[in-house]
Amino acid sequence: GAGVSQSPRYKVAKRGQDVALRCDPISGHVSLFWYQQALGQGPEFLTYFQNEAQLDKSGLPSDRFFAERPEGSVSTLKIQRTQQEDSAVYLCASGLAGVETQYFGPGTRLLVL
Amino acid sequence: LAKTTQPISMDSYEGQEVNITCSHNNIATNDYITWYQQFPSQGPRFIIQGYKTKVTNEVASLFIPADRKSSTLSLPRVSLSDTAVYYCLVGAVNYGGSQGNLIFGKGTKLSVKP
Repeated sequence: GAGVSQSPRYKVAKRGQDVALRCDPISGHVSLFWYQQALGQGPEFLTYFQNEAQLDKSGLPSDRFFAERPEGSVSTLKIQRTQQEDSAVYLCASGLAGVETQYFGPGTRLLVL
Repeated sequence: LAKTTQPISMDSYEGQEVNITCSHNNIATNDYITWYQQFPSQGPRFIIQGYKTKVTNEVASLFIPADRKSSTLSLPRVSLSDTAVYYCLVGAVNYGGSQGNLIFGKGTKLSVKP
């Protein structure tokens, strides 16, 4: 079946621009995660959804970062007034409820100039 | 939060067994240990998950001692295609709860040579 998809795959933004990154999880997956991965580093947790409920957003680096999953399926990570330090790969993962395998998407590579 | 420590890199040759150890001294009672493989420009891919003792699947084994302060991923008979970065992830999510303790290590870059 189809895996996790993310769009766009690449995004170039000018500093100060707002961006929206989309994640389409595997159908039926209850859990959805967003991670930020800087070059040469491991993924860093940003936020976690259980269906439409955002149960943890402790990893979001600032109030410029906002994530939503209004219908418990597709999720959008929005970054307002982008800064150069926001340049990274943003990974989305989905999974079944509970402690389980996370299935990752290919990521969106964001470059802020 | 459970911080993880892994070797930065490892070298091996085709056909050898590779063991990668991850230290996680502050692992919590509810935390699971999961290992992922990542190729360039791709998202991480699940390899194996465990809570304690030994877990084996078709691609790897995971050894977890009784104190759970470390774990070892064992890859039997590696091939060139196993060249990748390997991450251990310690943490847990609970349905209906809030667990912001999903910690990836910095990864171990495994290079397999012919």
